[in-house]
Amino acid sequence: EPEVTQTPSHQVTQMGQEVILRCVPISNHLYFYWYRQILGQKVEFLVSFYNNEISEKSEIFDDQFSVERPDGSNFTLKIRSTKLEDSAMYFCASRAVSSYNEQFFGPGTRLTVL
Amino acid sequence: AQRVTQPEKLLSVFKGAPVELKCNYSYSGSPELFWYVQYSRQRLQLLLRHISRESIKGFTADLNKGETSFHLKKPFAQEEDSAMYYCALKNNNAGNMLTFGGGTRLMVKP
Repeated sequence: EPEVTQTPSHQVTQMGQEVILRCVPISNHLYFYWYRQILGQKVEFLVSFYNNEISEKSEIFDDQFSVERPDGSNFTLKIRSTKLEDSAMYFCASRAVSSYNEQFFGPGTRLTVL
Repeated sequence: AQRVTQPEKLLSVFKGAPVELKCNYSYSGSPELFWYVQYSRQRLQLLLRHISRESIKGFTADLNKGETSFHLKKPFAQEEDSAMYYCALKNNNAGNMLTFGGGTRLMVKP
């Protein structure tokens, strides 16, 4: 069964550094999402992406964040200058075209900012 | 603004006991609700959605618009049901994003 994959599984970085989190959505899916979960807190929506553009973003998704689909398979989340409070699990999800289709989640990337 | 509340962070029951994981929501439109489950060291996966009116692994959930609730129930808990359970509300906007509750950890003791 196809799955969403994410790399790396764990990323450690210094405050102020740029990080890129990578996701490979399920191949025939067209909607892509990033969520994050700070330890002990809720899973929070960051951004949705469709047809090569952002379709929705939350207030968390400020100018430090960007997303890209650089090729036909990858979907990336970039944090330009990481802060301590960016430490969290970051989940990628994808879904097929119909709004009735479920979102399939990746295993997550644990980002630790020191 | 939409909100999902799961009042219990932890629910501990014995095997064979009934289980009810509570979920309340706040949404101005027509709600579409889901339960996601995360077993130990595994990814979030969809358990069930209210529009399907299905029973998965013995779990059911009924949408009660009057009480704005979508509680998850199972008559006889099994040890393998131990996991984190998240209630989620789909926003019917351009992105169809999900708003999650805080999650409830279900522990089923032998």
